[in-house]
Amino acid sequence: DGGITQSPKYLFRKEGQNVTLSCEQNLNHDAMYWYRQDPGQGLRLIYYSQIVNDFQKGDIAEGYSVSREKKESFPLTVTSAQKNPTAFYLCASSPRAGGEVNTEAFFGQGTRLTVV
Amino acid sequence: AQSVSQHNHHVILSEAASLELGCNYSYGGTVNLFWYVQYPGQHLQLLLKYFSGDPLVKGIKGFEAEFIKSKFSFNLRKPSVQWSDTAEYFCAVKDTGRRALTFGSGTRLQVQP
Repeated sequence: DGGITQSPKYLFRKEGQNVTLSCEQNLNHDAMYWYRQDPGQGLRLIYYSQIVNDFQKGDIAEGYSVSREKKESFPLTVTSAQKNPTAFYLCASSPRAGGEVNTEAFFGQGTRLTVV
Repeated sequence: AQSVSQHNHHVILSEAASLELGCNYSYGGTVNLFWYVQYPGQHLQLLLKYFSGDPLVKGIKGFEAEFIKSKFSFNLRKPSVQWSDTAEYFCAVKDTGRRALTFGSGTRLQVQP
């Protein structure tokens, strides 16, 4: 089955600890994205990557870091610098990058992070 | 920077009522437009998309949307809603400047039987 796998589904961490959220896709997509979803605020872009070994900051990148060492993987680290990390995190991918914009994004099931 | 506005935050309808959800975006250049739906406990799914051509696009489950370039709008419609349409609906825009989707704040639709 092709798709985007986010793990774990629920994650609990103590305040002050870094935590890494996993995102893997077997769709052979070039582009990958991380969004944060909060009630009443929709989805906000954290980071995105159009190609391996390259990524760009989104609208709310502060307190987060990413890496893109492999095409199929785009892990997100929520650092202790993130002021309000408790949220629902969604990973997505798109089939083509570069000059093309005519592509939709496919989403994973999400990871709900709770920091106590 | 691109912004997307969804004016209806929470809509409550009875079954068989007609639905129209508003969406406006700010970028004046070439855009791709999307509506996604998130059913309770499920992942975000694409309802429909507009890239070019006929501004009236049809999607899954009887939904359609109309792109009006002069109004920067992409409103979602359905003639007759069902209880199973209860979900959160998100409008999203992708432009040539930043090749990532910008989402609106979402509209929670509740359909009463």
